[in-house]
Amino acid sequence: DQQVKQNSPSLSVQEGRISILNCDYTNSMFDYFLWYKKYPAEGPTFLISISSIKDKNEDGRFTVFLNKSAKHLSLHIVPSQPGDSAVYFCAARADGSSNTGKLIFGQGTTLQVKP
Amino acid sequence: GAVVSQHPSWVICKSGTSVKIECRSLDFQATTMFWYRQFPKQSLMLMATSNEGSKATYEQGVEKDKFLINHASLTLSTLTVTSAHPEDSSFYICSAPVAGGPDEQFFGPGTRLTVL
Repeated sequence: DQQVKQNSPSLSVQEGRISILNCDYTNSMFDYFLWYKKYPAEGPTFLISISSIKDKNEDGRFTVFLNKSAKHLSLHIVPSQPGDSAVYFCAARADGSSNTGKLIFGQGTTLQVKP
Repeated sequence: GAVVSQHPSWVICKSGTSVKIECRSLDFQATTMFWYRQFPKQSLMLMATSNEGSKATYEQGVEKDKFLINHASLTLSTLTVTSAHPEDSSFYICSAPVAGGPDEQFFGPGTRLTVL
């Protein structure tokens, strides 16, 4: 039972354009969402997060949007840069106020930004 | 940001042997650590939650007798893969939150286990 789904295994965009990575979830108990970036043979690094009480959070080139009614979130990267090429994981947890809550990850989306 | 290390970064062992993987929080104390495994091109699957001073909590389907977890101190958790078999070959990653700190968990660099 995949509670967090990233239905696009890969995405290719041109440098300077917008990258939009999508994530859907099924568990209505999830109340905190995070995006991580991962390179091969390395651990994930945190990018940005959003609480379920918000619908948007922005940090520099990265913006995360949350649509609770649709159980959908997306990560926008603009402008995209070749260094953004990596695997992006969406993660969710059901204990938003505590960072010790366990994370459930999506399958990941491989982003390739072409120069 | 907080730093989590893992040792070894890669290990090759023969089938039937046991392998210990260490996860350390270098600049903070972690009462809770998490262990994940990742198969090629797949998601990170949570295996267990490691709790300092108490037993680990395993996810459904994870054999606790095969994957022994010991949270010996506030900065160290170990995962021992007992009687390893080729199907245990995977990328094992640990993470830890900072108590009272940022909302995200900090991940180690991972350990690549290959069982021959």
